Amino acid sequence: GQNIDQPTEMTATEGAIVQINCTYQTSGFNGLFWYQQHAGEAPTFLSYNVLDGLEEKGRFSSFLSRSKGYSYLLLKELQMKDSASYLCAVRETGGFKTIFGAGTRLFVKA
Amino acid sequence: EPEVTQTPSHQVTQMGQEVILRCVPISNHLYFYWYRQILGQKVEFLVSFYNNEISEKSEIFDDQFSVERPDGSNFTLKIRSTKLEDSAMYFCASSEAGGGHQPQHFGDGTRLSIL
Repeated sequence: GQNIDQPTEMTATEGAIVQINCTYQTSGFNGLFWYQQHAGEAPTFLSYNVLDGLEEKGRFSSFLSRSKGYSYLLLKELQMKDSASYLCAVRETGGFKTIFGAGTRLFVKA
Repeated sequence: EPEVTQTPSHQVTQMGQEVILRCVPISNHLYFYWYRQILGQKVEFLVSFYNNEISEKSEIFDDQFSVERPDGSNFTLKIRSTKLEDSAMYFCASSEAGGGHQPQHFGDGTRLSIL
């Protein structure tokens, strides 16, 4: 079956580092994406991993282990505007269908 | 920066009526998608479209749904006979290529409310 698991909610402090985990079981694998979604808005692309290891992009980094079906998104130097939902999404083999997790709602407090 | 645009931003329709949601993908993109997100739930894949035909669809995309690219810029989702459970945010997305590292760029969505 297809399953993507993420924690429902997390809270962190402004200026700190937070790690959002994602585990997946899908029908084939052709890449993992992280999106940010503010309430009532569209998802916006943050990062992509298809090979094992860490991808760094400014304050955001994403890690993938394909053998473990595991990824995380690391956010550094948290800002209040980082309060949003973070969606883990897996593209299935074949390249078209992308399965989204339910998202992790991150609250950044002062 | 080029973006995906969707109209209308909010559509209110009586149950049983037909509704057409419109999207203008990013101009050099070749792959188009529709997703829906019921309030408080996850984003769900509906359909992907390439080279003027459906390339993949989910089990949600049944006979009441159809997609069309009527001209060189628009991409539409039609729901033939709407039901209460079709109430959701509908997102259009496009990407330059279909696989690999190409991210899908999402429009701001159309909030569909069925009465």
